[in-house]
Amino acid sequence: EVQLVQSGAEVKKPGESLKISCKGSGYSFTSYWIGWVRQMPGKGLEWMGIIYPSDSDTRYSPSFQGQVTISADKSISTAYLQWSSLKASDTAMYYCARQKQGDIWGQGTMVTVSS
Amino acid sequence: EIVLTQSPGTLSLSPGERATLSCRASQSVYSSFLAWYQQKPGQAPRLLIYGASSRATGIPDRFSGSGSGTDFTLTISRLEPEDFAVYYCQQYGSSPFTFGPGTKVDIK
Repeated sequence: EVQLVQSGAEVKKPGESLKISCKGSGYSFTSYWIGWVRQMPGKGLEWMGIIYPSDSDTRYSPSFQGQVTISADKSISTAYLQWSSLKASDTAMYYCARQKQGDIWGQGTMVTVSS
Repeated sequence: EIVLTQSPGTLSLSPGERATLSCRASQSVYSSFLAWYQQKPGQAPRLLIYGASSRATGIPDRFSGSGSGTDFTLTISRLEPEDFAVYYCQQYGSSPFTFGPGTKVDIK
C-alpha cells in the first residue's frame, strides 16, 4: 500500500525548535516530489514548499521562505519540515503530500505553540 | 504568484442535485496543471481531479473537471450524502503551487 505516515502531534513553546517527519512507503520514494501544506485552525490550505528527494531540489512559497526548512533523507524514505524558532502563529495542522498534485496525503501533524 | 479565486464561497444544495464549483486563476495555468481536492472535517484532503479533467484513482464518475487557461470547473452530477464537504482547487503548473480559498458544499 502506498502511504505517507507523519510523526505525532507536538506541543511546543515559542522560540523552541521543531522537526516533523513524513515517511513514505509502498513506492519509490526518490521518484516523487513531497510537498508540505499548512492548515491553520478553521482555515484553508496553504502550500508551503516541495522537495524532490532524489536530488533534494527544493522550492518554497515566498510566504514560508526563510521561516521553515524542508529536507529529505532518501536512505530512510523520509521528508522533514523544521522550524528553528517557533511562534504562536505556527499553530496549525501540517500535511505532507506526494507529487505536485498531491495524490497521496499523510494523516497530518498537529503543531501547537503556546506559552 | 498565481492567485486562485473560488466561487461561490458556500453552495447549499440537496442530495441528488447538481453542484457546479468555479476556480478562476489570476493568470493562465501552465499546461492545465489544475487539481481539485475534497476535504471533510478532521480528515486530510483527497485528490479528486488532476490535469483539470482527469479523475484520480477510485474517484466516482459523478465528479468531473473541465476548463483551461484561467477558468476551471468542478461538477458533481448528483450529490450523494458523502459529498458534502469543502472543495479546494490548486494550480501546480508554476511554483508556488497555490490553493484557492475553498468552496463549502453544505446540505440545504
